[in-house]
Amino acid sequence: EVQLLESGGGLAQPGGSLRLSCAASGFIFSTHAMTWIRQAPGKGLEWVSSISNNGVYTYYADSVKGRFTISKDNLKNTLYLQMNSLRGEDTAEYYCAKICAAGDACDWGQGALVTVSS
Amino acid sequence: QPVLTQSSAASASLGSSVKLTCTLSSGHSGAIIAWHQHLPGKAPRFLMKLERSGTYKKGSGVPDRFSGSSFGADRYLTISNVQSEDEADYYCETWDTNFRVFGGGTKLTVL
Repeated sequence: EVQLLESGGGLAQPGGSLRLSCAASGFIFSTHAMTWIRQAPGKGLEWVSSISNNGVYTYYADSVKGRFTISKDNLKNTLYLQMNSLRGEDTAEYYCAKICAAGDACDWGQGALVTVSS
Repeated sequence: QPVLTQSSAASASLGSSVKLTCTLSSGHSGAIIAWHQHLPGKAPRFLMKLERSGTYKKGSGVPDRFSGSSFGADRYLTISNVQSEDEADYYCETWDTNFRVFGGGTKLTVL
């Protein structure tokens, strides 16, 4: 059974930093691209960032480019999202998701809440 | 990048059928999409991958009541014999190597 467990969420001040982790199990992590998706309060789903299976290629939404960094440790079966220069509009539930062969986000984690406030 | 358009709300009576629509923007009518179900406070759930041809592949454990179809730039999610547990937000998604895009979501109310 695929399991994706996010951690590292919490309260951060504007301009601050947080690092989210997503521990994966139940599938061969090194063979899958992964992605982060968020949902701000009262809003819909928004793509944040994706990474190739080997971690070489990374992609970002314009809203986070230059502030967030996605990475992947295939030995630890863990996905990361380093979030710097946080803003109020980054407040959201952050989900990690596994990308399947056709490109669809086919398994989701439970989410980690990030609140950016002074 | 494509834009996905969904109605903001829909309703269906218990035991009836409902068809949700996701419309791809001009120039992207051939795109494959995915449908996801999101209950408040829970993890989103992948329902299915849906191609332009109407061929769909469902995720593990998705009930037979859920099906997909396509017509032109429109991608549909049909829920037959609607149950109370189907009350949720439904999102369509499409992607390419360097981006992913979601529709605004449809809130389904079960009457």
